[in-house]
Amino acid sequence: EIVLTQSPGTLSLSPGERATLSCRASQSVSSNYLAWYQRKPGQAPRLLIYGASSRATGIPDRFSGSGSGTDFTLTISRLEPEDFAVYYCQQYGSSPMYTFGQGTKLEIK
Amino acid sequence: EVQLVETGGGLIQPGGSLRLSCAASGFIVSNNYMSWVRQAPGKGLEWVSVIYSGGATYYPGSVKGRFTISRDNSKNTVYLQMNSLRAEDTAVYYCARARDAYKYSFDDWGQGTLVTVSS
Repeated sequence: EIVLTQSPGTLSLSPGERATLSCRASQSVSSNYLAWYQRKPGQAPRLLIYGASSRATGIPDRFSGSGSGTDFTLTISRLEPEDFAVYYCQQYGSSPMYTFGQGTKLEIK
Repeated sequence: EVQLVETGGGLIQPGGSLRLSCAASGFIVSNNYMSWVRQAPGKGLEWVSVIYSGGATYYPGSVKGRFTISRDNSKNTVYLQMNSLRAEDTAVYYCARARDAYKYSFDDWGQGTLVTVSS
C-alpha cells in the first residue's frame, strides 16, 4: 500500500517569498500520476498540478510541480496573500487506488 | 458549466445507514471516473470510493464492505450507500470528477455534504 508523506507539516513564509513543498511516496508513483491541490476553509479543494508537472486550467504560472518516481515538489515562486492555505499531494493507480498526503499548511509569517 | 451538487448528509446513529447523492450537470457521469472524498474534522483529505466509466468500483480498506458507490445514468447522478456507520466516518463528503485528460486527478468538486455519526 502506497503512503504519501508531505513535508514540512507547516511552512511559515512572507508574501513575495518562494515556497517549496515536498511529497515523498513509499513506492514509485505509476506514470507520474501525482497531483497537487490547494484547500482553503469553506471551499472545495482546487486542482493545481496534475501529472506531476502540468498546471491545471486557470492556475497561475507561479505554481510549478516537479519530480518523478518517489519524490515530488510543489513550488510557488512568489507568494501572494491568497496562496496561504493547506496543500495536498495525491497519487492515482497504486493500491489503494487513490491516496492523499497528510497536507502541508502554508501560513503567513 | 460543470456542476456537482451533493445531498443526503445529516446526523445518524452509529450502526446506521445513509445514502449520499451527487447530481452532475454539464457533463455525463458515465463517461468519467467519479469519486467520493471525505474530510473529517481537523483531518486531511481521504479518498473513499471510485466508479470507473466501465463500471468497476474500488474502495480503501477503511470503508470496503461497508460503503458502495453506484450511478444512475438516466439521472446523471452518483450515489454513496454507507452502512454500518461509525463515529470515525463523521466528515464532509465531496463528490469529484476525474478524467484521463488530467491524469485521473480530481479536476471538479462539489461543495460537500456533512455526515455526523453520533448517538
